[in-house]
Amino acid sequence: AQTVTQSQPEMSVQEAETVTLSCTYDTSESDYYLFWYKQPPSRQMILVIRQEAYKQQNATENRFSVNFQKAAKSFSLKISDSQLGDAAMYFCAYRSNAGGTSYGKLTFGQGTILTVHP
Amino acid sequence: EAGVAQSPRYKIIEKRQSVAFWCNPISGHATLYWYQQILGQGPKLLIQFQNNGVVDDSQLPKDRFSAERLKGVDSTLKIQPAKLEDSAVYLCASSRGQGAYEQYFGPGTRLTVT
Repeated sequence: AQTVTQSQPEMSVQEAETVTLSCTYDTSESDYYLFWYKQPPSRQMILVIRQEAYKQQNATENRFSVNFQKAAKSFSLKISDSQLGDAAMYFCAYRSNAGGTSYGKLTFGQGTILTVHP
Repeated sequence: EAGVAQSPRYKIIEKRQSVAFWCNPISGHATLYWYQQILGQGPKLLIQFQNNGVVDDSQLPKDRFSAERLKGVDSTLKIQPAKLEDSAVYLCASSRGQGAYEQYFGPGTRLTVT
């Protein structure tokens, strides 16, 4: 079974600064997706960024980028020019692309609470 | 397009009572997921539907939880009888299909069992 670990329960950053959230995962599969989801307080979860395991190039979405290290099974999220609206719980998630009954299922980490200071 | 709708948003019940949650996915989305998110933890998949068939319910406590997705559209999740440890946020998500990488989440139902 796949596991996802986020070792930072809480992180904080100053507005306009850069912060990196860490995530490690364990899998024996070679074909999978990794995601970062954002869950603002009392609001619904939204997708921030995704990475396909077969792509070596790190994904980027505006101020959000990832550092995907497949061999190390590491998947960190970098938020540049942090804004007050970035404050939320961030979840790292894994999804197998191998088919079967687990196809489509997301396995989440424990989450990291990000605080942004003005 | 309208997002994933869930109701109620909040529910407080006593242990051993029953409760039901409703989810209406995004129109045209074939795959529907129910997740349980206990406070301070990441969501855990309870059940996954493809149209009106169950794909994965391996994590669903079947002695007390049940779910259905009639006609492959909206879905209900029921707990009977509830236990204190069922206190959590129940999230519904949908996607175009099992192969679609993006799941769209609803606002969740926060259940408190006293």
